[in-house]
Parts: sequence; C-alpha cells; structure tokens
Amino acid sequence: GAVVSQHPSRVICKSGTSVKIECRSLDFQATTMFWYRQFPKQSLMLMATSNEGSKATYEQGVEKDKFLINHASLTLSTLTVTSAHPEDSSFYICSASGLPESYEQYFGPGTRLTVT
Amino acid sequence: EDKVVQSPLSLVVHEGDTVTLNCSYEVTNFRSLLWYKQEKKAPTFLFMLTSSGIEKKSGRLSSILDKKELFSILNITATQTGDSAIYLCAVEHNSGGSNYKLTFGKGTLLTVNP
Repeated sequence: GAVVSQHPSRVICKSGTSVKIECRSLDFQATTMFWYRQFPKQSLMLMATSNEGSKATYEQGVEKDKFLINHASLTLSTLTVTSAHPEDSSFYICSASGLPESYEQYFGPGTRLTVT
Repeated sequence: EDKVVQSPLSLVVHEGDTVTLNCSYEVTNFRSLLWYKQEKKAPTFLFMLTSSGIEKKSGRLSSILDKKELFSILNITATQTGDSAIYLCAVEHNSGGSNYKLTFGKGTLLTVNP
C-alpha cells in the first residue's frame, strides 16, 4: 500500500512554455501533499505544502505565481511551472501523507524537467 | 533557522567495511527524524526515529537517535556495492504553523568499491 505516482516521469519543454506535473496517491487519501525540487548534486528542497481543498503554503523564496499548485481532490495534486526557464530545469518530487494513524510521507518517483 | 547537517558529505569504502553516517539538526518543534536512500530516482524510506536511544534495525542497516544531543547515526555493516547511494537525513518539524514539514540534509554520497 501507500503508492504515489507522478506523471510525466520526464518532460522537455521550450523556454516560456508551461508544464504541468501530476502527483497521485493510488491507494490512500492524501490529506497533505508536498512538492520538492532537487537540483543536481543537491538535496531535496521543499517548495510547498498543500492540504486538500485549501491554498498551498509556499516556502520562502518560492514564487507562488510561477509554481502553481492545485490539490483539488484527496488523490491528486498538480504542480504547474509557468513560463519555464532553463534555470527551472530540475528533478521535481512529490510526496503524500494521510494514512490513518500515520504521518509518514510517501514519495512519488519524481519528474525530470528540462527546459531548453 | 532550521537546519540539518550531514557528515561526511562523501565516503568511499571497500566491500565488507562498516560505515557510520552522521546527522545533526536544529529545528523548531521536532517530531521525527528519517533516513532515506537515494539512487537515481526518488528517495526510498529506511527508518523513522522518534524516541531517543532506541535502535532501529533492518538487516545490515541500523540507526539510533539522540534527542538530547540532537543527532542521529546510520550504520551499515558488511557493506556491499549495492549500498552505493546518497543517504539522506530528514527531520520532520513544525516551524510554528499548522503543517509539519521535512527539512533534508545535503546527504552523504557513499561509494562501495568491490
């Protein structure tokens, strides 16, 4: 149990376009989802936390108008990178929590974004 | 400022060696400390520690938490080449808001040579 999927696993887009990444909890209801970014040879950095049905809480330094997060249901959260630039190229990972009597986060497999 | 510091940043050993990875932290409202293994994809969960002094063990891996001194260690005995990976330490904490979050250390890159 506790499987989280992400789609797509890899995406290449042109500078100035927008890209949407989906994160789904497949076998549990995720009351909270987290979005992380990982640049090469660096650790995971939390971008934002989203609770189902409410606005996401962004970490300091993360532009909420550039990284749009929607957590419209208990099994789906989306991250849209708007007007992507090459410096947005990174590995984006989501995690989800919400199992009863557990606050463990379950990670998705990640999405490799390359902006050309 | 909340921070998680791992050491060493990288380590090269031979198969069969025992390694100890360190993680120290300073955070607000600590809840748990977690260890992950990351190869060329998302991290995979190893351990969650919430209580001091209680060793968690899984095969050749073990970990313990010291909440007084604010650190944890991850031990790997009889290392194998398949243990080569980045080992991430993360601390779950609440910085005064309603949500708990994970702050990750930079990781320790372990290379096990045959």
